Amino acid sequence: EAQVTQNPRYLITVTGKKLTVTCSQNMNHEYMSWYRQDPGLGLRQIYYSMNVEVTDKGDVPEGYKVSRKEKRNFPLILESPSPNQTSLYFCASSRGQLNTEAFFGQGTRLTVV
Amino acid sequence: DAKTTQPNSMESNEEEPVHLPCNHSTISGTDYIHWYRQLPSQGPEYVIHGLTSNVNNRMASLAIAEDRKSSTLILHRATLRDAAVYYCILRGGLNSGYALNFGKGTSLLVTP
Repeated sequence: EAQVTQNPRYLITVTGKKLTVTCSQNMNHEYMSWYRQDPGLGLRQIYYSMNVEVTDKGDVPEGYKVSRKEKRNFPLILESPSPNQTSLYFCASSRGQLNTEAFFGQGTRLTVV
Repeated sequence: DAKTTQPNSMESNEEEPVHLPCNHSTISGTDYIHWYRQLPSQGPEYVIHGLTSNVNNRMASLAIAEDRKSSTLILHRATLRDAAVYYCILRGGLNSGYALNFGKGTSLLVTP
């Protein structure tokens, strides 16, 4: 089954404690991206990757890092989480860019206290 | 990036057709029109996309105006399971990282 898998689904952490949210896709997609969803602001892109070792900033990259060492995985790293990073996070992947559908993970609800 | 305008909410009766409108007057020639929906507590789900011609798939139909400044997502027979937020998106090009620019979407309520 084609899917994007995120872990964990829920996480409560304390300010400043480094954390990683993993994202893995089984469709051999080149393009992967991370979004955060906040009430009243919709989904906003954090980072994206067009292929292995190619990553770039989206609209709201501050406080986040990513890596793309292999095609299937695209982890989101919060080196020093802060309360304003409390949000619902989604990972997505697609085969190409403009003319293809994107597959989204189930989401990771992160709370930073 | 080109923006889209959708009604905040719409309501439909079960088993009736639903027409969800979207305006995108600043669309450029290479922008694809994508529709996604998000059911409660789930990630966004692809519905359909198109460039110029009308499109049909198992989930819905997409009608694109001749000038491409508007489009309409058509659900032929709404079910309770179709209650979701529907997003009309112009997928950005290279300059925006091919981002899916989600706006506020249309919240569709389906009543029995």
